[in-house]
Amino acid sequence: DVKVTQSSRYLVKRTGEKVFLECVQDMDHENMFWYRQDPGLGLRLIYFSYDVKMKEKGDIPEGYSVSREKKERFSLILESASTNQTSMYLCASSPMGYGYTFGSGTRLTVV
Amino acid sequence: RKEVEQDPGPFNVPEGATVAFNCTYSNSASQSFFWYRQDCRKEPKLLMSVYSSGNEDGRFTAQLNRASQYISLLIRDSKLSDSATYLCVVFWGSGGGADGLTFGKGTHLIIQP
Repeated sequence: DVKVTQSSRYLVKRTGEKVFLECVQDMDHENMFWYRQDPGLGLRLIYFSYDVKMKEKGDIPEGYSVSREKKERFSLILESASTNQTSMYLCASSPMGYGYTFGSGTRLTVV
Repeated sequence: RKEVEQDPGPFNVPEGATVAFNCTYSNSASQSFFWYRQDCRKEPKLLMSVYSSGNEDGRFTAQLNRASQYISLLIRDSKLSDSATYLCVVFWGSGGGADGLTFGKGTHLIIQP
């Protein structure tokens, strides 16, 4: 089974902190994604990457950046955390054109 | 515009009943279709892909209607453990394919004893 591992299940950070969310997949997938999920809004794509050192903006990239230095690892960075970034963050990976496998999510609270 | 629409529910269904829900998509160029299941406070997990000829996996049947641009999920003999949110997912295959998945907001199903 493909495994997508997110480094933290729950995080509490202060406003203005720089936050790193890490995601690692073990199936050599080309594509990796970061979503946030909020009640009533569904899954919204923040950034995605289809190759090492490649990144593309999703629907809501403002306030976020990403890094993909190795194929298996895709990091989401909140440059200066704000309370409106309190959310569930989900990482996913997939081979080209197929369904996603999600990590178990990181529930981030910014206070 | 790529949109995927689902009735958010909740659908309250007695145990053992059959339940079906649909999902409509806006772009006729859509290539692949999936149903995901998401339990409360958990990540979405792939339930089944949806093929043009329709497909069945145990108590679950998925259908695709390209002419009317919708997919459906039918659950027979529903179990309490089927309670979850079901996400409809459409793949457009744009560019390198990386951004081609669009998620519906999900249909909330509650199976009642």
